[in-house]
Amino acid sequence: ETGVTQSPTHLIKTRGQQVTLRCSSQSGHNTVSWYQQALGQGPQFIFQYYREEENGRGNFPPRFSGLQFPNYSSELNVNALELDDSALYLCASSFYSDANYGYTFGSGTRLTVV
Amino acid sequence: SQKIEQNSEALNIQEGKTATLTCNYTNYSPAYLQWYRQDPGRGPVFLLLIRENEKEKRKERLKVTFDTTLKQSLFHITASQPADSATYLCALEGFNAGNMLTFGGGTRLMVKP
Repeated sequence: ETGVTQSPTHLIKTRGQQVTLRCSSQSGHNTVSWYQQALGQGPQFIFQYYREEENGRGNFPPRFSGLQFPNYSSELNVNALELDDSALYLCASSFYSDANYGYTFGSGTRLTVV
Repeated sequence: SQKIEQNSEALNIQEGKTATLTCNYTNYSPAYLQWYRQDPGRGPVFLLLIRENEKEKRKERLKVTFDTTLKQSLFHITASQPADSATYLCALEGFNAGNMLTFGGGTRLMVKP
């Protein structure tokens, strides 16, 4: 059983650019969520995808968008990058409606915006 | 607004002792409360989940309590080991579709040999 894998592990972008982060869910999981974690803080919910549709969204602007594919993998896209977007971006997968086993997180993508 | 508070100061304890971490919340009625462990540069790892109608849950050396009246959870690690040193995150999950986890800021635990 594979866990959640994210790519790339590190990324440096310039302010104003666009970035795409990728996530492969754990086998058997049909729901993927994305979180942003600033240094020294807890993760903050960006959005969740279930059956290829957005199924909940946190307090993030529309320039944060995502996709879920039929194989349950996912992408997070961020347009018009700002310096404050520098953070660890975490992908988490789960089986919808089964909360008993928590969420499985990937190791994250460290994004630096300069 | 919803708020989850964990002690932001690091907790330093001696190996073999019991570590107790606290999670307090306001303006929230969670369905579940979860605890995660996070090592530097890694994603959180799920440890335990407790439901809003449960008082206590145990798993090996770990114990979680959940008091919905006090709006507090306590997380205990008995017989602590240096390998338990990490940041521990408390997270609440609601009943709604698109359930999101709302995390506290985490408490760093240092277990000294």
